[in-house]
Amino acid sequence: DGGITQSPKYLFRKEGQNVTLSCEQNLNHDAMYWYRQDPGQGLRLIYYSQIVNDFQKGDIAEGYSVSREKKESFPLTVTSAQKNPTAFYLCASSESGGAYEQFFGPGTRLTVL
Amino acid sequence: KNQVEQSPQSLIILEGKNCTLQCNYTVSPFSNLRWYKQDTGRGPVSLTIMTFSENTKSNGRYTATLDADTKQSSLHITASQLSDSASYICVVSARPNTNAGKSTFGDGTTLTVKP
Repeated sequence: DGGITQSPKYLFRKEGQNVTLSCEQNLNHDAMYWYRQDPGQGLRLIYYSQIVNDFQKGDIAEGYSVSREKKESFPLTVTSAQKNPTAFYLCASSESGGAYEQFFGPGTRLTVL
Repeated sequence: KNQVEQSPQSLIILEGKNCTLQCNYTVSPFSNLRWYKQDTGRGPVSLTIMTFSENTKSNGRYTATLDADTKQSSLHITASQLSDSASYICVVSARPNTNAGKSTFGDGTTLTVKP
């Protein structure tokens, strides 16, 4: 089965801790994205990567970090610098840049205790 | 600034009825417009994608229209079912060599279908 997987589905974190969300795709897509979604609101872009070993900040990158060491993987770290990290996080991928159709993973719900 | 505005914010209809959701955008230069369906707690799933030259596209009971002159799109749902209850998101992208890697997302319309 081709697609995007995210893990874990639910994640709990204590204040002050860093946490890493996993995103893997086997669609052979060049571009990958991370979005944040708050209740009743639209998706906001955190980071995106158009090619291995390269990534750019999105609209709300503060308090987050990413890496793109492999084409199929784009992990997101939520650092303690992120003041309000409780949210639903979605990973997506596309063939190339943002003008192409994006395929989304099932999401990770992060809750800070 | 590129913007996508969707209306209404929320909508409640009875099962079996039709409805139309609206999307207005200011993204330029236009590349494509996509409609996604997002069930609660799940990732969005693509319904349709339209380029500049296309003015209508269907996917089962979903029909999207595009007026590139007025920069408006609509998503029409026919004979609604309870499973249509979801958030519908309009996404507009600029051409690949501009604003690369970023699409502009609308805030979505939350549709509730009641029996």
